[in-house]
Amino acid sequence: GIQVEQSPPDLILQEGANSTLRCNFSDSVNNLQWFHQNPWGQLINLFYIPSGTKQNGRLSATTVATERYSLLYISSSQTTDSGVYFCAVEKWSNYQLIWGAGTKLIIKP
Amino acid sequence: DVKVTQSSRYLVKRTGEKVFLECVQDMDHENMFWYRQDPGLGLRLIYFSYDVKMKEKGDIPEGYSVSREKKERFSLILESASTNQTSMYLCASWRGQGIGEAFFGQGTRLTVV
Repeated sequence: GIQVEQSPPDLILQEGANSTLRCNFSDSVNNLQWFHQNPWGQLINLFYIPSGTKQNGRLSATTVATERYSLLYISSSQTTDSGVYFCAVEKWSNYQLIWGAGTKLIIKP
Repeated sequence: DVKVTQSSRYLVKRTGEKVFLECVQDMDHENMFWYRQDPGLGLRLIYFSYDVKMKEKGDIPEGYSVSREKKERFSLILESASTNQTSMYLCASWRGQGIGEAFFGQGTRLTVV
């Protein structure tokens, strides 16, 4: 089956720093999503981005489908950005999302 | 504002009890999912449903069953709760294959004692 790898597994930054999270996937996909899980366990959808680039405030994401990777950029980090960031993909007609192991981000004040 | 609502935020049950976890979505989505999340193991799919009265086993269905009598409601049932089912349970809703983003409920942290 399709493999999803996220890097780095852990990231510790000072408030105000920028960061780039990466998601690699082993096969072509028709759906890719980025999620943020806050310290209370809630999963929030950040981007639906099977290809191209999207921006939402300080966050942006780029997926290069032909090279099978996606990047999540966080600029001017705030302590509320702390949590785990997950990438999830779907292969056509599979009905399921395949999840990466996540990147744990800690933003220090 | 789209919503997926899980019936309980925290739940404590005794070993052997039958446990019902309820999930309701208001987005008219076809697909609904139940995951469990444990430290170091990530999100693991228990069951999913792509239509009313339809269900498919995920990666770890043993000890669980599900019910989807109405499109908006997907229930997870622990037939006889055991301590190894202590976990965070997450419900998700999604319009359809390849279409758009999935939305999650707030999660239910279940402790079986």
